[in-house]
Amino acid sequence: EDQVTQSPEALRLQEGESSSLNCSYTVSGLRGLFWYRQDPGKGPEFLFTLYSAGEEKEKERLKATLTKKESFLHITAPKPEDSATYLCAVQAVWGGSQGNLIFGKGTKLSVKP
Amino acid sequence: NAGVTQTPKFQVLKTGQSMTLQCAQDMNHEYMSWYRQDPGMGLRLIHYSVGAGITDQGEVPNGYNVSRSTTEDFPLRLLSAAPSQTSVYFCASSWVAGEQETQYFGPGTRLLVL
Repeated sequence: EDQVTQSPEALRLQEGESSSLNCSYTVSGLRGLFWYRQDPGKGPEFLFTLYSAGEEKEKERLKATLTKKESFLHITAPKPEDSATYLCAVQAVWGGSQGNLIFGKGTKLSVKP
Repeated sequence: NAGVTQTPKFQVLKTGQSMTLQCAQDMNHEYMSWYRQDPGMGLRLIHYSVGAGITDQGEVPNGYNVSRSTTEDFPLRLLSAAPSQTSVYFCASSWVAGEQETQYFGPGTRLLVL
């Protein structure tokens, strides 16, 4: 069964304290792995798509990496405005584009000044 | 560009009532989808469409109906609302260029079924 597990469920950091969020997955053929940011009461905001093991993408203080079994979202020197829930999702090859995007439950990040 | 818009923002229904959640995008995206988000469950795919006139079921399609008559609009219909359909509903559209895909989500519709 295709599955996505994110850890930890919640993470509290001090401003400037770097850390990583984990997304482990099992899927019968990975087409893509997606990272989103979601603020309370809002829709998910697209961050990255990763397609193959070894791929890395960066955006400001965020860096996403991908292996054959998991993805990491590294947050370097976070600021309070990085506080949000971060969602990971995988897309199976057989599902086709847009089809069967499987989401994890998310990691709620709080960054204290 | 307004991006992905959803109406209404909030709705209260009584069990058995029907309603349509509206979703529109102005980015000319072919791919659109509907998700529901429940506490502790993560986002789950209800229905999706790969273009006008083409729709397919996702993980949790029961009790919902969709159609796609234009590229811009992808309404979600609740046929006979049940308390189990209390949730936050998100519409999304995707842009695909070769192997690169970017998904945009709307702001959501909060639905309460009494």
